[in-house]
Amino acid sequence: GAVVSQHPSWVICKSGTSVKIECRSLDFQATTMFWYRQFPKQSLMLMATSNEGSKATYEQGVEKDKFLINHASLTLSTLTVTSAHPEDSSFYICSAKPFSGTDTQYFGPGTRLTVL
Amino acid sequence: GDSVTQMEGPVTLSEEAFLTINCTYTATGYPSLFWYVQYPGEGLQLLLKATKADDKGSNKGFEATYRKETTSFHLEKGSVQVSDSAVYFCALNFGNEKLTFGTGTRLTIIP
Repeated sequence: GAVVSQHPSWVICKSGTSVKIECRSLDFQATTMFWYRQFPKQSLMLMATSNEGSKATYEQGVEKDKFLINHASLTLSTLTVTSAHPEDSSFYICSAKPFSGTDTQYFGPGTRLTVL
Repeated sequence: GDSVTQMEGPVTLSEEAFLTINCTYTATGYPSLFWYVQYPGEGLQLLLKATKADDKGSNKGFEATYRKETTSFHLEKGSVQVSDSAVYFCALNFGNEKLTFGTGTRLTIIP
């Protein structure tokens, strides 16, 4: 149980285009989902926290107009990288916290974004 | 700010060897401490955790003890297996759900 999926697992796009990444909790409802970014050989850095039905809370230094987060249902959150540039190339990972009240987060397998 | 420092990898060991992956943290207050593991092609999974000083987390033969005096949470296993090959992340939080991660340590076990 407690499986989180991400789609796509990898994506290549041209500079200036937008890319949407989906994060789904497959067998539980998630009140809160988190989006992380990971650079090669570096830590996962929290980008934003999203709660179902409300606006996402972004970490300092993360551009909310560039990284649009939507958490429209208890099982789906999306991250849209708008007007992507090569410096946005990275590994994006989501996690979900179940509605049941546990403090454990369940992580998706990640999405590798390459912007040409 | 809060931070986690992990031993740099990669780490390569022979099967049945003893494993230690060091983790120290800097935080104001007393955070909860975690070890996550990421197997190839999969998402991060919680391996073990400890929520207060002197607590020992354990799972799948792995152990880590919350040491307040040394601000450490080192991961140990007495006899590793090939299936333990993965990337291991140390992390902390204060119950507000925001996790602060270390850089990860890649572990490879050779038969």
